[in-house]
Amino acid sequence: QSVLTQSPSASGTPGQRVTISCSGGSSNIGRNFVSWYQQFPGTAPQLLIYRNNQRPSGVPDRFSGSKSGTSASLAISGLRSVDEANYYCASWDDSLSCYVFGTGTTVTVL
Amino acid sequence: QVELVESGGGLVKPGGSLRLSCAASGFIFSDFYMTWIRQAPGKGLEWVGQVSSGLSSIYYADSVKGRFTISRDNAKNSLFLQMNSLRAEDTAVYFCARAGSTWEFDHWGHGTLVTVSS
Repeated sequence: QSVLTQSPSASGTPGQRVTISCSGGSSNIGRNFVSWYQQFPGTAPQLLIYRNNQRPSGVPDRFSGSKSGTSASLAISGLRSVDEANYYCASWDDSLSCYVFGTGTTVTVL
Repeated sequence: QVELVESGGGLVKPGGSLRLSCAASGFIFSDFYMTWIRQAPGKGLEWVGQVSSGLSSIYYADSVKGRFTISRDNAKNSLFLQMNSLRAEDTAVYFCARAGSTWEFDHWGHGTLVTVSS
């Protein structure tokens, strides 16, 4: 069940900054960490951001995460063609006792 | 390096059963929670369930509760998903993933396709 809402698409030209939002509620984002995943078509997702704003080793610092209240955001600065992918947010939901993913955002580089 | 390899997917009729496996290597398997996540064709990610490192806690999505069972064998570094009473809507690629310290999914397998169709 997708209880985290993301805009279906986002786009920008090379070098621009793109921001993806993830809207949740008090039982998920409002109380728990948010993580973000990048997925290219036909491949497994990869962890991009964890604990709201931490990058695993190997993830470029062009990617940054933030959280405020019941919403979270992923920003991609210095957009590159290789960033064209689907992006998902996720968080644990205390009320549902399950992990919930966002609906996903497709990023297009114009 | 961490490696997760799923197997056991295939074509099954509605109402049938299937058992997926995930072989883990490159880390101390018994130290980590493990998770199953699925993705229907052309759709987003859906968390299926998660098992604690020592099997003391297992969580399931409502959509699979009572039909799917997650288990693990720490001696064999393996994770399992027993799927019963399968439905067409269970058709998906099933990924196993390692849960990190704050339950982020820090490593994923390549996935195995399950197709439920008559």
